[in-house]
Amino acid sequence: DAGVTQSPTHLIKTRGQQVTLRCSPKSGHDTVSWYQQALGQGPQFIFQYYEEEERQRGNFPDRFSGHQFPNYSSELNVNALLLGDSALYLCASSLRRSRNYGYTFGSGTRLTVV
Amino acid sequence: GENVEQHPSTLSVQEGDSAVIKCTYSDSASNYFPWYKQELGKRPQLIIDIRSNVGEKKDQRIAVTLNKTAKHFSLHITETQPEDSAVYFCAASFSGGSNYKLTFGKGTLLTVNP
Repeated sequence: DAGVTQSPTHLIKTRGQQVTLRCSPKSGHDTVSWYQQALGQGPQFIFQYYEEEERQRGNFPDRFSGHQFPNYSSELNVNALLLGDSALYLCASSLRRSRNYGYTFGSGTRLTVV
Repeated sequence: GENVEQHPSTLSVQEGDSAVIKCTYSDSASNYFPWYKQELGKRPQLIIDIRSNVGEKKDQRIAVTLNKTAKHFSLHITETQPEDSAVYFCAASFSGGSNYKLTFGKGTLLTVNP
């Protein structure tokens, strides 16, 4: 049973560029959440997708956008990259109606902006 | 919004000793409190969680306690082993079904010395 898979694992971009990160949720999960984890910090909630709609959003600018596809996979897009966007981006999946509240995290995409 | 404070930021213990990590939260509506373990370069993994209708939960060498009145919860690891060395994160959320976001603490780097 595949867990949450993210691609790519590492990425280097230049300031001002745009980036797309991808996530496939754990089999059977229908909700995808994205988190940003800066070095030495805890993960911070970016947004959550369910039924192809953004359901909740954290305190992130509009440069951060996302999408969920009919197969529940998701993309995170960041426009006009800043140096401060360098971080580990984690995708977490869950089953909306489940009483098991625990997320399953992917291994993340390490984004470096130079 | 929710704010989670975690202490200490680093903790060093001898193998076999106990380790305690403490967190406080600000939103009295929060009702779900998971703990994650993150080894270097790996994904956060759920190790134990507690809901607000119980005061304590134990799973082998790991236990979590919750004091709703004081809005704090703690992770207790007994008989620590070198493989317990990792960064531990507490988190809090208001959980309605699976549509919830986690607010994380900044993490505790636990080092277990052989």
